[in-house]
Amino acid sequence: AQSVSQHNHHVILSEAASLELGCNYSYGGTVNLFWYVQYPGQHLQLLLKYFSGDPLVKGIKGFEAEFIKSKFSFNLRKPSVQWSDTAEYFCAVIRSGGYQKVTFGTGTKLQVIP
Amino acid sequence: EPEVTQTPSHQVTQMGQEVILRCVPISNHLYFYWYRQILGQKVEFLVSFYNNEISEKSEIFDDQFSVERPDGSNFTLKIRSTKLEDSAMYFCASQGLASTGELFFGEGSRLTVL
Repeated sequence: AQSVSQHNHHVILSEAASLELGCNYSYGGTVNLFWYVQYPGQHLQLLLKYFSGDPLVKGIKGFEAEFIKSKFSFNLRKPSVQWSDTAEYFCAVIRSGGYQKVTFGTGTKLQVIP
Repeated sequence: EPEVTQTPSHQVTQMGQEVILRCVPISNHLYFYWYRQILGQKVEFLVSFYNNEISEKSEIFDDQFSVERPDGSNFTLKIRSTKLEDSAMYFCASQGLASTGELFFGEGSRLTVL
């Protein structure tokens, strides 16, 4: 079964700082990868996704992620965070082909200080 | 934009009572899921449902839980005899073509068991 690791549990940044959140997955086959965001008191929303093609994926609100197959990684980045980015971020993976469930990482809480 | 809707948004119940959480998935989606998030913890897979039957369930999804799609639109999660540790946010999700993998989440139902 696949699993997802997010090594940073809680990250505190000042506004305008750059962000990189780590995500590694374990599964040797083809996968689709996602980052979801959960703002305080709200539901999970899709930030960006990778299915195939360009391994550098751009999402909403200036976020991007890079799929590095050799490292089984899909790290999330943003060059300059804003206070409104304060949220919890979840990396998720699904094995490609047919029905497969989505497996989530443990999440990273991001706190941006004005 | 189509969305997944969940009711109730918050339910408070006494231990031992039965609870039904309701979800209306996106209309042309085929796969349905319940996930749970205990406060401060990760998003956990409970169960997936396809073609009117359970596709997969986690070890959390024991005999006190059941799901059904009674009328072709609603997708319900029933917890037969609630326990304190069932207090969590329960998220419904639906998924269209399995090859895309993207889950669309509802806003969640917060269950508080006293």
